[in-house]
Amino acid sequence: AAGVIQSPRHLIKEKRETATLKCYPIPRHDTVYWYQQGPGQDPQFLISFYEKMQSDKGSIPDRFSAQQFSDYHSELNMSSLELGDSALYFCASSLGGLAGAKFFGPGTRLTVL
Amino acid sequence: GEDVEQSLFLSVREGDSSVINCTYTDSSSTYLYWYKQEPGAGLQLLTYIFSNMDMKQDQRLTVLLNKKDKHLSLRIADTQTGDSAIYFCAETAFSGGYNKLIFGAGTRLAVHP
Repeated sequence: AAGVIQSPRHLIKEKRETATLKCYPIPRHDTVYWYQQGPGQDPQFLISFYEKMQSDKGSIPDRFSAQQFSDYHSELNMSSLELGDSALYFCASSLGGLAGAKFFGPGTRLTVL
Repeated sequence: GEDVEQSLFLSVREGDSSVINCTYTDSSSTYLYWYKQEPGAGLQLLTYIFSNMDMKQDQRLTVLLNKKDKHLSLRIADTQTGDSAIYFCAETAFSGGYNKLIFGAGTRLAVHP
C-alpha cells in the first residue's frame, strides 16, 4: 500500500541557511500535517493544510512557512536556520480534515551545524 | 487545555502481556490513537479507537477506552522483542473546525528474554 513519502530523508545545513522539506501524502488524502520531534521529545504540531488551505497552526516559528500544492503535496520552508531547529520533521496525511486515521511519513532528519 | 500523559518506561518479559496507559484531557476528542516509533524511525499507526467505543481488538492489540475517566490503554498480548519501541498515545484536538493530534511523551517499552 502507498504510504506518505518525505524527502529528503536526511539534511545537513549550517546556521542561517534555508531548507525545504517535501511531503507527498497518501493518494486521495487531502489533509497534510507537519510535526517537529526534537531529540527525546514527543512530536509537536506545526501546521496543517486541508484542500490546499491552511487549516490550523501550531508552534511553527515565523521563520518557517508551508504550503500545499494542487497535487496535495506539501512543502515546509525553513529560513535562517538555528541550531535548535535540528529535529526529525514528520509529515502526516489523512482523508478529511475532521477525522480519520493519520498516517505518518518516515520523517526528515534535519541537522543544523 | 490539551494534555496527554503517559508513563515513560515499561519493562516486560518476552511472552508476557504489556499494558501501556494514557490519560487525556480533551473530552471532545473523537479519535484516540496509538503510534509506535522504533529507534530512528517514523511513527507507525498501530490502531485508533472512536470515542463512542470502549474496546477495540486487532490481533495482539487491545485498546480500552474509559471515556468517563479519560483513560486509554493499549494491551499487547504475547509481547515479543520486536515490540520494543516507544509507544505514543495521541488525542485529537479541535481548532477552528479542524483537528490535530496532540501526543503524549511516549512510553518506552523494553522487552527482555
